[in-house]
Amino acid sequence: DTGVSQDPRHKITKRGQNVTFRCDPISEHNRLYWYRQTLGQGPEFLTYFQNEAQLEKSRLLSDRFSAERPKGSFSTLEIQRTEQGDSAMYLCASSLNPGDGYTFGSGTRLTVV
Amino acid sequence: AQSVSQHNHHVILSEAASLELGCNYSYGGTVNLFWYVQYPGQHLQLLLKYFSGDPLVKGIKGFEAEFIKSKFSFNLRKPSVQWSDTAEYFCAVNNAGNMLTFGGGTRLMVKP
Repeated sequence: DTGVSQDPRHKITKRGQNVTFRCDPISEHNRLYWYRQTLGQGPEFLTYFQNEAQLEKSRLLSDRFSAERPKGSFSTLEIQRTEQGDSAMYLCASSLNPGDGYTFGSGTRLTVV
Repeated sequence: AQSVSQHNHHVILSEAASLELGCNYSYGGTVNLFWYVQYPGQHLQLLLKYFSGDPLVKGIKGFEAEFIKSKFSFNLRKPSVQWSDTAEYFCAVNNAGNMLTFGGGTRLMVKP
């Protein structure tokens, strides 16, 4: 058990459909991050929350992507009108202090067909 | 913007061989440096980290890394690898802000 839970573990969707992923961070961690990882690449930053506030968004995060963290607890990442290029592993991580490093979840693998 | 380079994409070693994986970063200010490991089928795990002080840091499973500020490097080392070290290794940098920037990773295969 990593402490950071992500659901679902795998998602296969048809192009054009909307998908939503959930992340439950370690309960005392106020910082939550979303990353995307494609095969053979390192994780790429998508967005960051401190408590319920979304403080930073990557340029990778097009307007089809939206993330929320209501009440500063769990977070959701929604992708609208999915495209094949969205196929990737979506990673969630949390931390208490930025210098501590992150605790990662196991990720949600998205396949768009 | 900061960037992280890992020049070795794939490394194959025999058990008991010594390991050194390179990591260079581009940011010139104060940085926090990390190495993460991802074993097959598992999540990313923190291997070790550097904030300040002794530039030689020791992590779990016999790994260590040396921060050389003048070279903008944070290379990972292990004197004698084991088959169980087969994994992908990622270097990451945080410039005292909130976001970790990762390198592209090095896939290590250790032959028994």
